[in-house]
Amino acid sequence: SQQGEEDPQALSIQEGENATMNCSYKTSINNLQWYRQNSGRGLVHLILIRSNEREKHSGRLRVTLDTSKKSSSLLITASRAADTASYFCATDYGSYIPTFGRGTSLIVHP
Amino acid sequence: DSGVTQTPKHLITATGQRVTLRCSPRSGDLSVYWYQQSLDQGLQFLIQYYNGEERAKGNILERFSAQQFPDLHSELNLSSLELGDSALYFCASSVYRDRADEQFFGPGTRLTVL
Repeated sequence: SQQGEEDPQALSIQEGENATMNCSYKTSINNLQWYRQNSGRGLVHLILIRSNEREKHSGRLRVTLDTSKKSSSLLITASRAADTASYFCATDYGSYIPTFGRGTSLIVHP
Repeated sequence: DSGVTQTPKHLITATGQRVTLRCSPRSGDLSVYWYQQSLDQGLQFLIQYYNGEERAKGNILERFSAQQFPDLHSELNLSSLELGDSALYFCASSVYRDRADEQFFGPGTRLTVL
């Protein structure tokens, strides 16, 4: 399968701490996106990073992309209980259809 | 609220039956995507329509079919249902035909096959 793989599968932290999750993929990509899914709900787009970009920021989110290592990381700074959700990376391998990983389940304890 | 609507929210049916899931995309979006999310398979792409035409096909079973109507709403038809078809079905929309950029997801339809 070409889907990206998120790591860790699950992450549990305290409010105020930073949360880092990683995504590794297998072949070259056009872009990589991160989505959030609250339990049983639709996915919400967080950020997109193109293959020629190395870092992007959006509010408390920071995404990096290392194409040489075929990996990306999502950092959420100063986590809040409301950040509790599953986070998915989605890679575009050139088919223009994003391929989703299995996600990282993040729990932020108040 | 993403602007994408899906009905019904929940569906409970029996094996062998046929159901239709409906999706209305965000205003102005011409692309509609269907995904299946299950615990063992994750989020799987099924099919994409763009302005009424099928544009891409993923892991969609032959028992499943979809269409997009002139008003851009889309329907996913699932027939000869099996227990393994129980899953969350999402539709997503975007303005793009050939870009895997931001998609807007609906709230999903939870299908339970008994």
